Amino acid sequence: TQLLEQSPQFLSIQEGENLTVYCNSSSVFSSLQWYRQEPGEGPVLLVTVVTGGEVKKLKRLTFQFGDARKDSSLHITAAQPGDTGLYLCAGGPHQTGANNLFFGTGTRLTVIP
Amino acid sequence: SAVISQKPSRDICQRGTSLTIQCQVDSQVTMMFWYRQQPGQSLTLIATANQGSEATYESGFVIDKFPISRPNLTFSTLTVSNMSPEDSSIYLCSVTPDRLRETQYFGPGTRLLVL
Repeated sequence: TQLLEQSPQFLSIQEGENLTVYCNSSSVFSSLQWYRQEPGEGPVLLVTVVTGGEVKKLKRLTFQFGDARKDSSLHITAAQPGDTGLYLCAGGPHQTGANNLFFGTGTRLTVIP
Repeated sequence: SAVISQKPSRDICQRGTSLTIQCQVDSQVTMMFWYRQQPGQSLTLIATANQGSEATYESGFVIDKFPISRPNLTFSTLTVSNMSPEDSSIYLCSVTPDRLRETQYFGPGTRLLVL
């Protein structure tokens, strides 16, 4: 089983603050995705990173894939109430042709206006 | 991307009964998956729905409890059989449009409460 541990599990911050969510594993992944899930909806894909050391930016969100492709981080700058939700990382297995995703334990973010 | 719908969106069921959840995609996709998400938790993969062959189940999930159909490349069903309160959860289908990519797109989920 390829486990992905996320930290922190819960995070409550004031609007305008910065935060970082971590996703760690002892396994190597071919790719790493980040999803956000809002109440009553399915997870929505934010980004996919595939190269060790890769950094992607999506407006105020910065995603990084670790050099060894075992970990990832999500940094949010100047958080907004609209960023509130459950953030999930998911790793693609290190096997060509396989399609399973292994989901992290999740980080529930609340941004207080 | 792909647009995915699920029916029903929510249901309340009595223990011992069964519920079939439908997943419809707006385009043909190679892979479809069914997940369970218990309240406040992350996602657990139930099975991969294979078109033209039997579904592939993950450890801890069996066909008798969660039979799956995949009659074509745009549709799948998951049945939760002989339900108990422990089956209360959100059930999500997802698809990956490209066989070589791991990225998945999710439906809105079906919220099930078993009394």
